[in-house]
Amino acid sequence: QKEVEQDPGPLSVPEGAIVSLNCTYSNSAFQYFMWYRQYSRKGPELLMYTYSSGNKEDGRFTAQVDKSSKYISLFIRDSQPSDSATYLCAVSGSARQLTFGSGTQLTVLP
Amino acid sequence: DTAVSQTPKYLVTQMGNDKSIKCEQNLGHDTMYWYKQDSKKFLKIMFSYNNKELIINETVPNRFSPKSPDKAHLNLHINSLELGDSAVYFCASSQDQLGEKLFFGSGTQLSVL
Repeated sequence: QKEVEQDPGPLSVPEGAIVSLNCTYSNSAFQYFMWYRQYSRKGPELLMYTYSSGNKEDGRFTAQVDKSSKYISLFIRDSQPSDSATYLCAVSGSARQLTFGSGTQLTVLP
Repeated sequence: DTAVSQTPKYLVTQMGNDKSIKCEQNLGHDTMYWYKQDSKKFLKIMFSYNNKELIINETVPNRFSPKSPDKAHLNLHINSLELGDSAVYFCASSQDQLGEKLFFGSGTQLSVL
């Protein structure tokens, strides 16, 4: 079993839709949870960073962590074509070393 | 100015050759990394250097040798390239050894024929 599981998609939504991206993880010791966005032929860039359970909001993006279910989510409100990218979840524990999910490819259609 | 830059962007080579990828960061970060991304977009750490010292060395064949001449540079040399080495290699940096907030370069697409 992989440490982090992520539905690869692809996911296609119309502009303005609410997007929900999800990951599950297996190790309850993970405490740090991140979402990275990767545009085609570019490196990943950090989008959201959360510690422990709860929600964090930044503009149209909301990251949610449920440690009891080992489930992390990223919500994108009012999605835009510029949000089209691959979204990678990542987790880390006390060793502070990232384990990435395999990414979900998102396309927002104008 | 590009924060983390790596060269070349594309590298096409024959099996058995030796090649190098260079990386430079101008963010003043102390820690630099090499990650490998396979065809399924799975991103995995290979090496981590902090102030020119090797911190993390994951299970990577010893054909891969990182070199850090100073804390702003981390190069990756690969000997005797194999077909399975084909992937995108990303350099990254972070302000400290807490390797979650990473700044990535644009990647080097390596194709071994």
